[in-house]
Amino acid sequence: DAKTTQPNSMESNEEEPVHLPCNHSTISGTDYIHWYRQLPSQGPEYVIHGLTSNVNNRMASLAIAEDRKSSTLILHRATLRDAAVYYCILRGAGGGADGLTFGKGTHLIIQP
Amino acid sequence: DTAVSQTPKYLVTQMGNDKSIKCEQNLGHDTMYWYKQDSKKFLKIMFSYNNKELIINETVPNRFSPKSPDKAHLNLHINSLELGDSAVYFCASRQTRQSSGANVLTFGAGSRLTVL
Repeated sequence: DAKTTQPNSMESNEEEPVHLPCNHSTISGTDYIHWYRQLPSQGPEYVIHGLTSNVNNRMASLAIAEDRKSSTLILHRATLRDAAVYYCILRGAGGGADGLTFGKGTHLIIQP
Repeated sequence: DTAVSQTPKYLVTQMGNDKSIKCEQNLGHDTMYWYKQDSKKFLKIMFSYNNKELIINETVPNRFSPKSPDKAHLNLHINSLELGDSAVYFCASRQTRQSSGANVLTFGAGSRLTVL
């Protein structure tokens, strides 16, 4: 899986939008962009994924740059429960049993 | 119903012992995984397994072995436990499809192993 770069940590205020950036300049044409998060003392959970177009779901939005070399996870209105480590991961389209490779992620701190 | 369940949630044991952590998924997925998260919070994949192949991370000592009695279970056996094995171990599963880039993983809540 190609490498991603994320800030080590970010801080935001409750009820404000949060934009979490991810750089993936070596992304290949068939790599999907996945975001997972890990809440304290829990397993990672899926947030959102996309290939080329921007994506929205009930948890977040994913904005993908036109050249696909970067993406941004958007939490529209952060709550204290959104405090977690957020991982941006590239996943190739090949078949097989191989799993996701997690980086260091971004530790998101939400201030009340 | 918990989608991916692991037991035990906590395990404290002595060095040199042999222990197992069990994982069950009720999602009908065909591929299961074990991940290790150490004290620095790095998540590293240990094994990927489906009925066709076992992929082992080359850094995993051969004291660790996955055992899959059926598609819904992937247990982790650890022989001769060492202090450095202390970590949180996560089980995960997914359904492989032809276009696997879109496949998402579902994780269990983790099993915290402490070796004394």
